Amino acid sequence: EDQVTQSPEALRLQEGESSSLNCSYTVSGLRGLFWYRQDPGKGPEFLFTLYSAGEEKEKERLKATLTKKESFLHITAPKPEDSATYLCAVQAGFQKLVFGTGTRLLVSP
Amino acid sequence: SAVISQKPSRDICQRGTSLTIQCQVDSQVTMMFWYRQQPGQSLTLIATANQGSEATYESGFVIDKFPISRPNLTFSTLTVSNMSPEDSSIYLCSVGSLAGAVQETQYFGPGTRLLVL
Repeated sequence: EDQVTQSPEALRLQEGESSSLNCSYTVSGLRGLFWYRQDPGKGPEFLFTLYSAGEEKEKERLKATLTKKESFLHITAPKPEDSATYLCAVQAGFQKLVFGTGTRLLVSP
Repeated sequence: SAVISQKPSRDICQRGTSLTIQCQVDSQVTMMFWYRQQPGQSLTLIATANQGSEATYESGFVIDKFPISRPNLTFSTLTVSNMSPEDSSIYLCSVGSLAGAVQETQYFGPGTRLLVL
């Protein structure tokens, strides 16, 4: 069964304190790994797609990396506006996305 | 990315009633999906809304409970039928496009927050 596990469940950082979020996955035939950001009361906002081990993508203070078993979302010098829930999902079958339960990030000034 | 809107944004309903949620996209898309996000849980795919044919439902979801329409390439509806408090959730529409045989990234609407009393 395809499965996605995210850790930690919650993370509290001081502004400027860099850290990483983890997404471990078990899937037969990975077609893509996706990172989304979700603010309270809103739908998920797309951040990155990674397709193969070794791939990296960056956007502002965020950098996503992928290995054969996990992905990391590195947050460098975070700001309070980076506070959100970060969701990881894998695409196994032709269409279906399997999501993790997310990491709730709080960045304090 | 496409601009996706959902109506209503939130609703409070009585048990036993039904609610239809609309999803509108500002451009034609190949794939439209409906997800459920229960409190404190991850997103779960309910079904894929197929244009011109019946929706494809995931295990645990049935057409009688969640009938779906997809009359064209920019619009879909999800009905939550005979509601119970367990149906209280956020319902999300997402869209994607096909590039050849590969499905591209899914983009999500703002969601519909449903509370069933």
